[in-house]
Amino acid sequence: AQTVTQSQPEMSVQEAETVTLSCTYDTSESDYYLFWYKQPPSRQMILVIRQEAYKQQNATENRFSVNFQKAAKSFSLKISDSQLGDAAMYFCAYRANAGGTSYGKLTFGQGTILTVHP
Amino acid sequence: DSGVTQTPKHLITATGQRVTLRCSPRSGDLSVYWYQQSLDQGLQFLIQYYNGEERAKGNILERFSAQQFPDLHSELNLSSLELGDSALYFCASSVGGLAYGYTFGSGTRLTVV
Repeated sequence: AQTVTQSQPEMSVQEAETVTLSCTYDTSESDYYLFWYKQPPSRQMILVIRQEAYKQQNATENRFSVNFQKAAKSFSLKISDSQLGDAAMYFCAYRANAGGTSYGKLTFGQGTILTVHP
Repeated sequence: DSGVTQTPKHLITATGQRVTLRCSPRSGDLSVYWYQQSLDQGLQFLIQYYNGEERAKGNILERFSAQQFPDLHSELNLSSLELGDSALYFCASSVGGLAYGYTFGSGTRLTVV
């Protein structure tokens, strides 16, 4: 079974600085997707960034970028120029790109609470 | 507004009762997913429907059931409720079954007392 591990329960960063959130996963699949979701106090789950395993190039979305290390099964999220609005719980998630009984299921990590200090 | 609508937003009920949570997917999305978020279990996948048919099943209790109707809205039925069922229940939707990311609703907060 696939597992996703976020080893940092809490992280903090000063406004305008850079922070990196860690995520590791375990799978025997070779084709899969990885995601970072943000959950602010409003509870809404918001997709931040996604990465296809077969793409070597790391995904980037504005101030958000990932460091995808397939061999190490590592998928970290870097937030540059942190803003107060980035404060939230961040979840790393995995989805196999195959059918079967797990079909479209996302497996989530435990989450990392990010605090941004002004 | 994500386009995925969940009702009600909050629900308080007693142990042993039955409740129904409703989800309307984004326009054009055929897949609906249900997730449970609790403090001790985190985000757990419950079940997925695609165009009216069950497509994947996760850690869904036998006391829970779901369905997707012809108009593509979905309902999650929770019966014989226990204190431990208190959680945030999310619905998400996507165009296809193997989607490149979902869109989540804002969740239903269920409190069992």
